[in-house]
Amino acid sequence: DTEVTQTPKHLVMGMTNKKSLKCEQHMGHRAMYWYKQKAKKPPELMFVYSYEKLSINESVPSRFSPECPNSSLLNLHLHALQPEDSALYLCASSQDRGHEQYFGPGTRLTVT
Amino acid sequence: AQKVTQAQTEISVVEKEDVTLDCVYETRDTTYYLFWYKQPPSGELVFLIRRNSFDEQNEISGRYSWNFQKSTSSFNFTITASQVVDSAVYFCALSEGSNSGYALNFGKGTSLLVTP
Repeated sequence: DTEVTQTPKHLVMGMTNKKSLKCEQHMGHRAMYWYKQKAKKPPELMFVYSYEKLSINESVPSRFSPECPNSSLLNLHLHALQPEDSALYLCASSQDRGHEQYFGPGTRLTVT
Repeated sequence: AQKVTQAQTEISVVEKEDVTLDCVYETRDTTYYLFWYKQPPSGELVFLIRRNSFDEQNEISGRYSWNFQKSTSSFNFTITASQVVDSAVYFCALSEGSNSGYALNFGKGTSLLVTP
């Protein structure tokens, strides 16, 4: 089983809203990732969690706040987003860093 | 600087044709990993293959094959007898310890359209 689940599938939020994206995997993977993907572009790395600790933050604005409550869950808290933050947000996990990453279906976010 | 170059932006073929997607990478690490992912219109990225820098053996999996050549820093992907279901964007990616701890660095992708 190589399934990574993400909720919600779609999200529309206003610039003053607070929302959260959720990601879950049950493969025992110790690395989890958030990527942002704009239309017709490759995914861009946002955050890396390794063994439940934030190890990489690719200079992401503070309006994006990641959280790893346990080894299976990864959240992305959103607050005061801008319309240019509208994108597909992808979660991935891997056995460890350097191993193949398995991606969830993504959350398509629209900020109005 | 672009570390992974996929020079072909879009390719269109007729079903049953063979097609090769090119990938050229750049790294100074001796240990690194190369990947191919498929992203169909549904949006989910599907893992296809991972190779480490010490294993230059080519690989075949059904209609898919990969040619890894360190001498030319290339990791090309060939689909034999293409099918309509192969239509997708294909990303080549590089993972290096010196770059964000083995995070995936994607090329810009090649959009493949297979028509009946």
